[in-house]
Amino acid sequence: AQSVTQPDIHITVSEGASLELRCNYSYGATPYLFWYVQSPGQGLQLLLKYFSGDTLVQGIKGFEAEFKRSQSSFNLRKPSVHWSDAAEYFCAVGEAVDRGSTLGRLYFGRGTQLTVWP
Amino acid sequence: DAGVIQSPRHEVTEMGQEVTLRCKPISGHDYLFWYRQTMMRGLELLIYFNNNVPIDDSGMPEDRFSAKMPNASFSTLKIQPSEPRDSAVYFCASSLPMTSTEAFFGQGTRLTVV
Repeated sequence: AQSVTQPDIHITVSEGASLELRCNYSYGATPYLFWYVQSPGQGLQLLLKYFSGDTLVQGIKGFEAEFKRSQSSFNLRKPSVHWSDAAEYFCAVGEAVDRGSTLGRLYFGRGTQLTVWP
Repeated sequence: DAGVIQSPRHEVTEMGQEVTLRCKPISGHDYLFWYRQTMMRGLELLIYFNNNVPIDDSGMPEDRFSAKMPNASFSTLKIQPSEPRDSAVYFCASSLPMTSTEAFFGQGTRLTVV
């Protein structure tokens, strides 16, 4: 069965420090992988996605993630965190439908809450 | 496009009352999803539609929950009767048909059942 594990419930970093949020997934085929960010009281905003091709993907707000098939991981990174990055981050794996051409349902991890110290 | 629009943003209701959540997907998107977010279970899919037809409703918790999509631009999620354990944030999302690899989420409806 498909599943996503985010082992860190809460991470605290100082502003300007580097960040890595971990994500491991279980999926039978080549996955669609996503990172979403949720600010308090807000919806989910897509940071980046991996569908195919280059395993290092760039997203918005200076985030990047690397797909490692051998480790079933899709960790999110940012070289220098800003106070505005404080939020909750969700990793998700998407199910492919229509012979793999379309995104179906998403399976989400439990999220990692990021706190940024000034 | 204004994005996925959900209404209301907040709903407070008494136990036993009927609650209806509404969603307008992005125009042209053929897939519509309803997700629920709770502290206990995180984000989970309730149901999704393709071309207004329910495809997978295995996440609907029980018969008190029902969802409809009468046309391509509108969907409802109804809870009748509501219970305190239904308190959650309910998200609607939509995605394009072919070659789409992204789902767009609405702002969510925060439901509180007292």
